[in-house]
Amino acid sequence: EVQLVESGGGLVQPGGSLRLSCAASGFTFSSYSMNWVRQAPGKGLEWVSYISSSSSTIYYADSVKGRFTISRDNAKNSLYLQMNSLRDEDTAVYYCARSRWFGELDPWGQGTLVTVSS
Amino acid sequence: EIVLTQSPGTLSLSPGERATLSCRASQSVSSSYLAWYQQKPGQAPRLLIYGASSRATGIPDRFSGSGSGTDFTLTISRLEPEDFAVYYCQQYGSSSWTFGQGTKVEIK
Repeated sequence: EVQLVESGGGLVQPGGSLRLSCAASGFTFSSYSMNWVRQAPGKGLEWVSYISSSSSTIYYADSVKGRFTISRDNAKNSLYLQMNSLRDEDTAVYYCARSRWFGELDPWGQGTLVTVSS
Repeated sequence: EIVLTQSPGTLSLSPGERATLSCRASQSVSSSYLAWYQQKPGQAPRLLIYGASSRATGIPDRFSGSGSGTDFTLTISRLEPEDFAVYYCQQYGSSSWTFGQGTKVEIK
């Protein structure tokens, strides 16, 4: 079964840092591009970042550029999101999701909640 | 950046009725890069439709997608109780992904 499991969320003060992880199983992780998508409480979905299978191509949403860093370790079947200089508006559930052929995202993990508050 | 606008914001229907959800793009989107997702409370989104009209694995045939250019539609032919949820359209292009704001399908 294809599965993605996020971890690392929690409460952090504004200006702080947090590192999210996403553990993949049930598929050849090294063959797929991956994404992070977030959802603020009661709001819609917002794409955050993309990384290609070999890490050669990386994209960020303007809202996180310069503050967040996406990375992956294909040997560990893991995806990461390093989040620095966190702001109140970064409070959200963060999902990792696998990219398919034309940018559709499937499957998604269950999400991990990041709360930025003093 | 392409903006996706979904309408209506909320759709109040009864089980067995037909639901028609709209997704309009601010500029033309390749049909290959248009997808629809379903999200239930407390759950992650689930891929329903990709390539504007292809059903993902395991998705019932009461779900169908259509459209091209700037106008896309998700149709649920006969609503089942488990279909009441929020639906999002999404496009990929120019090194970014964007989502519509969502349409909530609620029980009337």
